[in-house]
Amino acid sequence: GAVVSQHPSWVICKSGTSVKIECRSLDFQATTMFWYRQFPKQSLMLMATSNEGSKATYEQGVEKDKFLINHASLTLSTLTVTSAHPEDSSFYICRVDGRNTEAFFGQGTRLTVV
Amino acid sequence: AQSVTQLGSHVSVSEGALVLLRCNYSSSVPPYLFWYVQYPNQGLQLLLKYTTGATLVKGINGFEAEFKKSETSFHLTKPSAHMSDAAEYFCAVAYNQGGKLIFGQGTELSVKP
Repeated sequence: GAVVSQHPSWVICKSGTSVKIECRSLDFQATTMFWYRQFPKQSLMLMATSNEGSKATYEQGVEKDKFLINHASLTLSTLTVTSAHPEDSSFYICRVDGRNTEAFFGQGTRLTVV
Repeated sequence: AQSVTQLGSHVSVSEGALVLLRCNYSSSVPPYLFWYVQYPNQGLQLLLKYTTGATLVKGINGFEAEFKKSETSFHLTKPSAHMSDAAEYFCAVAYNQGGKLIFGQGTELSVKP
């Protein structure tokens, strides 16, 4: 069964609203969580890395005020896309690493901003 | 900067034919190497990985890959393609356990009946 649960799997929102995406590790404690963005027919682009209880580290060019990441517990990280615009429409995927475990990816979230 | 190159954004094979997906990396030190598969609108699933030891790595669904340091390559193969293998495949490298994964551009595999 799935060891990482990402929710929702798809969401449509109006321009200007905010959307929260959750990523949970189900069977283990996540030491580090990563958030990726994927455009159609393209590879995964790392947005940020988060460790439980500390601020996320954002990749160059990623707006931290627009993509808010909260890693509040050892099993949950959230990505909030604030004031979403059509150009934020994309596929967002979380990755979860546990201590001495391989990386597990969430099922992804298809965000469409209209 | 380290990079991963997958030759061919799209590969098409007939069912039962050999699958070969190419991956080369640029690095001065041996990295950890991975192959992932992605089905439409889903996350990534690990096919196989190389960390240390035997350079021929066997993964799930009959796939295998060989790490060739002299060629800085980690090509993915499967002797006989199945229709269910049609998906997007990503090669990735990391330079430490749990570190940042650098992905290739991806290769879309189509399997013809």
